[in-house]
Amino acid sequence: IAGITQAPTSQILAAGRRMTLRCTQDMRHNAMYWYRQDLGLGLRLIHYSNTAGTTGKGEVPDGYSVSRANTDDFPLTLASAVPSQTSVYFCASNAGPNQPQHFGDGTRLSIL
Amino acid sequence: GENVEQHPSTLSVQEGDSAVIKCTYSDSASNYFPWYKQELGKRPQLIIDIRSNVGEKKDQRIAVTLNKTAKHFSLHITETQPEDSAVYFCAASQRDSGYSTLTFGKGTMLLVSP
Repeated sequence: IAGITQAPTSQILAAGRRMTLRCTQDMRHNAMYWYRQDLGLGLRLIHYSNTAGTTGKGEVPDGYSVSRANTDDFPLTLASAVPSQTSVYFCASNAGPNQPQHFGDGTRLSIL
Repeated sequence: GENVEQHPSTLSVQEGDSAVIKCTYSDSASNYFPWYKQELGKRPQLIIDIRSNVGEKKDQRIAVTLNKTAKHFSLHITETQPEDSAVYFCAASQRDSGYSTLTFGKGTMLLVSP
């Protein structure tokens, strides 16, 4: 089934550790996005990528980095996790500007 | 950047009633307005969207209206059913470095009681 796959589904991580959340899509979409979702705050954009080889900063990029080596993969890295990064992380993709974004199932991350 | 306000934060209705969720946006250049439904523990899923060249769009029991002058748009659900219970998010597009991203409202928890 075409769509977006995120891994892991959930993770408990010690503060200070490095963590990479994986996101893969098989729809050949040009654009990909990472959001974090916190209760009462909705979905906030962390980083995005218009096309392979380019990335941009969203509303809350500090403490996160991304790469886009190819069309399908868009990993999100926390270089040194802090408790305030405890959240549910969603990856999304779309075919182009003002096209519907499709979301993955999310990664629930807890930083202790 | 874009700012999206969404009201109410919670909404309780009886089955069969109508529900209306309202959003305002700040960037007059925004031209794409999707609505997402998120059930507990699930991914957000697009239920309807509207572009700025259209004032209203309907899909069965769901409709969205857009007032570009006032910079607000609304989701209307008629004949609500218990399975409509979920969190609903509005969003508005914004241009950033020549590309389009979305800014989301904080969400409305809709509870439909049988």
